[in-house]
Amino acid sequence: RKEVEQDPGPFNVPEGATVAFNCTYSNSASQSFFWYRQDCRKEPKLLMSVYSSGNEDGRFTAQLNRASQYISLLIRDSKLSDSATYLCVVPISGTYKYIFGTGTRLKVLA
Amino acid sequence: DAGITQSPRHKVTETGTPVTLRCHQTENHRYMYWYRQDPGHGLRLIHYSYGVKDTDKGEVSDGYSVSRSKTEDFLLTLESATSSQTSVYFCAIGTYEQYFGPGTRLTVT
Repeated sequence: RKEVEQDPGPFNVPEGATVAFNCTYSNSASQSFFWYRQDCRKEPKLLMSVYSSGNEDGRFTAQLNRASQYISLLIRDSKLSDSATYLCVVPISGTYKYIFGTGTRLKVLA
Repeated sequence: DAGITQSPRHKVTETGTPVTLRCHQTENHRYMYWYRQDPGHGLRLIHYSYGVKDTDKGEVSDGYSVSRSKTEDFLLTLESATSSQTSVYFCAIGTYEQYFGPGTRLTVT
């Protein structure tokens, strides 16, 4: 099992739709998790941090399921500008080193 | 946005030549990182630094060396570039939450 796994997509959704991505991780000791957004040919940018059960920021909700070892990202009322690749990031326990998922690509269609 | 710049932004070089990429930050952050990003692999850690002259290897460090003589600068050197090092290189700062530079697109012919 890969340390961090994501469905590469693409997820094609219409504007206004709700979409969710999952990210599974293998290290049960991981305590914090992150979602980054990366636009084509740009650098990743931090979207959300998840330190406990979940986090919400406007239309975005991240949830953590420790028992099943996955985190999810829910986007409500999708906008065209949400089209991007979403990267899941998990720290290596006890270090400041990180494992990046390969990303899930989202396309929001007009 | 965090003050992180990378130079050069684009470079084409020939196999066997040395290449140095520079990352400069104005945030005075202790931790700095070099990643490479390739299709199908996501971002992979090359080297990181936890202070001036303090560096450590990441998962894909072979063929790369780094130096950090000042808090604000972290250099990545390819001693003898190979075609397998064609990639996009990102510098980042931060610990739990990382902030990335704009990237350097390196092509080794």
